[in-house]
Amino acid sequence: GENVEQHPSTLSVQEGDSAVIKCTYSDSASNYFPWYKQELGKGPQLIIDIRSNVGEKKDQRIAVTLNKTAKHFSLHITETQPEDSAVYFCAARRSNFGNEKLTFGTGTRLTIIP
Amino acid sequence: EAGVVQSPRYKIIEKKQPVAFWCNPISGHNTLYWYRQNLGQGPELLIRYENEEAVDDSQLPKDRFSAERLKGVDSTLKIQPAELGDSAVYLCASSLGRGGSQETQYFGPGTRLLVL
Repeated sequence: GENVEQHPSTLSVQEGDSAVIKCTYSDSASNYFPWYKQELGKGPQLIIDIRSNVGEKKDQRIAVTLNKTAKHFSLHITETQPEDSAVYFCAARRSNFGNEKLTFGTGTRLTIIP
Repeated sequence: EAGVVQSPRYKIIEKKQPVAFWCNPISGHNTLYWYRQNLGQGPELLIRYENEEAVDDSQLPKDRFSAERLKGVDSTLKIQPAELGDSAVYLCASSLGRGGSQETQYFGPGTRLLVL
């Protein structure tokens, strides 16, 4: 089955600086890679996702890059703000109708230092 | 648009007692998922429903866990009897269906279970 590794497990950055979280996956057939943000006491919230037919996707201060050859993808947050503090999870899935299981990484606790 | 609704939000029980969690997915979403999230870990899939059919329950501990989605809308996850190791957050998620953006999963707030 799919295995997703996520690094680092904790990350502290000064407000205004950039944060980068990296994930690797094992199943070369995976083709969908979402990122979720989870605040304390809440469920994961989708913040951005990317499919394997593109290499980069951007939404305001958030961007995701995908390297299919190396089987890794990264989340980039620029101009970080205190409200970005949360736990971030990457995930991977092979969408071939019948095997849509989403496999999550172990999470990165991001702390923005004011 | 209302999100995924779960209840209760918190539950404390003694081991060997039964417990049930309820989920109401986003209106119109055909696919419903139950996940378990242990402390400091990512969510792990327990069961996935397409309408009322359980299409992936390979990770569900069937000796003590059961789930149902009788009318293809609301779902209930039950544990009987609960063990200490069942303490976790139980998350429900839903998606429209299959293909492209329809597969995007939206999560509820979860039920935090503590077994004493």
